[in-house]
Amino acid sequence: DIVLTQSPATLSVTPGESVSLSCRASQGISTSIHWYQQKSNESPRLLIKFASQSISGIPSRFSGSGSGTDFTLSINRVESEDFSVYYCQQSYSLPLTFGSGTKLEIK
Amino acid sequence: QVQLKESGPGLVQPSQTLSLTCTVSGFSLTSNSVHWVRQPPGKGLEWVGAIWSGGSTDYNSALKSRLSISRDTSKSQVFLKMNSLQTEDTAIYFCTIGTTHDYWGQGVMVTVSS
Repeated sequence: DIVLTQSPATLSVTPGESVSLSCRASQGISTSIHWYQQKSNESPRLLIKFASQSISGIPSRFSGSGSGTDFTLSINRVESEDFSVYYCQQSYSLPLTFGSGTKLEIK
Repeated sequence: QVQLKESGPGLVQPSQTLSLTCTVSGFSLTSNSVHWVRQPPGKGLEWVGAIWSGGSTDYNSALKSRLSISRDTSKSQVFLKMNSLQTEDTAIYFCTIGTTHDYWGQGVMVTVSS
């Protein structure tokens, strides 16, 4: 199974800062990585697919990059509504697997 | 408008069988895969399994021996059955569309307890 390691586990930031969240795969997965945001007591929401493809309705401050084993979700100028948990997930091979998540919290 | 809605019992006794239904609208089951993903309280996401557009299925290997996913295309429904439930199966169960999980249902909380 492909293991996805997200770091850091928790990231404390001030609104207005820009941040980068990391997701590392245990083997090369091309660009088959997707990012989700999950707010408390809500279902996850797809933010970015295939490493860098934007999703309709998602604010442009969210962007993704990377290929192979190292991937990054960037948030340009974090807003109050962005404080939540972020997961990466790979669709390169079955079983589909998720990272353990990065919690973005207010400093 | 794409919608998914999970339904099923909120409480299941240990060793019993869980039956969940995902009712979908706004897309075709014969053109899209539907996946089940679960999330234990306070923990991360785990892929449970999927039924593909052609009707074949794949399962998380850790659950494979206890799990069955099927569908009724005429009713736009996908079914999950998991037997021999244990307390570790307590979780919110979500159904989603596609390997990129473009859309998610609201989830259904399943508690395994006597």
